[in-house]
Amino acid sequence: DVKVTQSSRYLVKRTGEKVFLECVQDMDHENMFWYRQDPGLGLRLIYFSYDVKMKEKGDIPEGYSVSREKKERFSLILESASTNQTSMYLCASSLEALGNTIYFGEGSWLTVV
Amino acid sequence: GENVEQHPSTLSVQEGDSAVIKCTYSDSASNYFPWYKQELGKRPQLIIDIRSNVGEKKDQRIAVTLNKTAKHFSLHITETQPEDSAVYFCAAANSGYALNFGKGTSLLVTP
Repeated sequence: DVKVTQSSRYLVKRTGEKVFLECVQDMDHENMFWYRQDPGLGLRLIYFSYDVKMKEKGDIPEGYSVSREKKERFSLILESASTNQTSMYLCASSLEALGNTIYFGEGSWLTVV
Repeated sequence: GENVEQHPSTLSVQEGDSAVIKCTYSDSASNYFPWYKQELGKRPQLIIDIRSNVGEKKDQRIAVTLNKTAKHFSLHITETQPEDSAVYFCAAANSGYALNFGKGTSLLVTP
């Protein structure tokens, strides 16, 4: 069974702090993704990675960066957290080819105060 | 890029009735259309998907139809049950790696 694990389920951070959200998958998937989920806005893609050290911007990359040093781990970084980044963040992974199921983690609820 | 629109945003049906959720997409090159279900407090999970070379696909009480000419696809749930209550997301993708999701439909099935 595929497992995508997000290490932090609930975080509260202060404005201006640097925030790291960590995600690990155990199925040797090539692709990994970070989505943001907000009520009424659905799932919006922040960044994705199709290989180690490779990354591509999604629809809303501003204010975020990512790191993929190992195949199983994909980190989302908020360089300087702002209140409008308060949201649910979902990590996901899939095998390389289009049409393979994307598996989501449980999500990380981030509140920036 | 791809733009996926989903309707309705909320849907309430009585147990046993059918529910239909519709999505349209903008990129004619899109060729993969999955549907995800997200129960309250849980992660989205794939429930059914369809590729562009197929017009319809069924899995027990769930079916998806695709009209490539009109660029729309729909999710049909028959004989709804309270456990079908959830948020449903449609998505579309072409040769890219990532899915473009609709904004979701909150389905409530009342006993």
